Amino acid sequence: DIVMTQTPLSSPVTLGQPASISCRSSQSLVHSDGNTYLSWLQQRPGQPPRLLIYKISNRFSGVPDRFSGSGAGTDFTLKISRVEAEDVGVYYCMQATEFWTFGQGTKLEIK
Amino acid sequence: QVQLVESGGGVVQPGRSLRLSCAASGFIFSNYGMHWVRQAPGKGLEWVAVIWYDASKKYYADSVKGRFTISRDNSKNTLYLQMDSLRVEDTAVYYCVRIHVAAGGLGVDYWGQGTLVTVSS
Repeated sequence: DIVMTQTPLSSPVTLGQPASISCRSSQSLVHSDGNTYLSWLQQRPGQPPRLLIYKISNRFSGVPDRFSGSGAGTDFTLKISRVEAEDVGVYYCMQATEFWTFGQGTKLEIK
Repeated sequence: QVQLVESGGGVVQPGRSLRLSCAASGFIFSNYGMHWVRQAPGKGLEWVAVIWYDASKKYYADSVKGRFTISRDNSKNTLYLQMDSLRVEDTAVYYCVRIHVAAGGLGVDYWGQGTLVTVSS
């Protein structure tokens, strides 16, 4: 099974400042079709998860452009350029290249 | 707009069965594969099962294999999860999740609100 490891597990951030979350997979996420199926999800308190980024760097419909994704192979990053109060929650990376597995989650909170 | 509405959760004793349903609307259900993903209280996300758009393929997490069955009725736009031999560790919110067809067909996009299953004596 592909194991997804996120760092940090908790990230206190000042409003208006940037934030960054890393995700590492135990093996390459490049699929035989050439795509890399790495997504980022946001789960606000009391809400279901919501897709933010798919295939490493593509923002999903309605996602603000302060969210961006990057990376390749086994190392990936989610960046928030300027954190807003509504960004509080838990962020998960998810791979769909070989079955489906999630990172442990990173809790984003305001300092 | 895409809507996924789960139902069927509740409190059940260990060893008993429960069937979850997910009513889909706002898209052509028969064109999309679907997942069940669960989240134990205060914990992270765990993939449970997936079914292809035409039910030709089904896959399960090792933790539920042989006990859970995913199915669908495309005429009713409904996804199901039959859960047998339930264990205390199956306690979780169960989410119905759509496969992201537009992005290559392996990732996910829309999630339902979830239904809580509590397994307790």
